Amino acid sequence: GQQLNQSPQSMFIQEGEDVSMNCTSSSIFNTWLWYKQDPGEGPVLLIALYKAGELTSNGRLTAQFGITRKDSFLNISASIPSDVGIYFCAGQRRIGTASKLTFGTGTRLQVTL
Amino acid sequence: EPEVTQTPSHQVTQMGQEVILRCVPISNHLYFYWYRQILGQKVEFLVSFYNNEISEKSEIFDDQFSVERPDGSNFTLKIRSTKLEDSAMYFCASSPTSGASYEQYFGPGTRLTVT
Repeated sequence: GQQLNQSPQSMFIQEGEDVSMNCTSSSIFNTWLWYKQDPGEGPVLLIALYKAGELTSNGRLTAQFGITRKDSFLNISASIPSDVGIYFCAGQRRIGTASKLTFGTGTRLQVTL
Repeated sequence: EPEVTQTPSHQVTQMGQEVILRCVPISNHLYFYWYRQILGQKVEFLVSFYNNEISEKSEIFDDQFSVERPDGSNFTLKIRSTKLEDSAMYFCASSPTSGASYEQYFGPGTRLTVT
C-alpha cells in the first residue's frame, strides 16, 4: 500500500524556535493535508494544499506542496507551548471527488520553555 | 463553528459482542468516513460513504464491519463480532461536496476496548 514517511519522528524544541518537518511518499498525491492531534483527541485540520508548488500559510504555520507531488513540508514559526502534539500529513489521490486520506507516520513535537 | 460529534467517547465490550459507534457529521456535508487508530500508530482509513452507499473501503473493512445512515443526521459503524485486535480509537470524518471538498473534518473519536 501507499506509505507516507514523516521526519523527524519526534523533536524537542525551545519556545520561540522555528520548526520544520516533512512528509515523503513513493507515489503521487493530488491533495496534501496537515493535521495536528492532541492526546486522546481527533486530528484537527491545519492546512490543505491543492496544487504542486503551492505555498499556503495559516497564522504561524506554512506548508508547501512539493513540485514532484510526492512530498510536502510544514513549518511552524516562533513555537509556543500549545504547539505540542503530533503532526500528521495526509495525502489524497482522487481528483474531482472526495476520497480516502492516507496518513503519514507522524511527527511528535515537544516544546520546552 | 460546526463540528463532527461522536458517541460514546469510550466503549468497553467483550470479545464476540456487537458494537455500534455513532457519529453526527457536520450538517451540510455529504461525504462521510470512518478511520481507526491503534494506540501509538497512524490513522488508517476504513470506509467512505456517499449518497447512501459505500464509495470506497479498505481491506480492514471486512464482513464484520458495516455502515449505515439510518436518518438525516446519524452515521454509524457496526462491528458484528468484536475481536481483541479491534481495540482502537475510531474516528468519524465528513467533508463538503463542493468548494473545499477535499478537506475532511474529524470527530473526537470513540475509544473501543475489547476484552
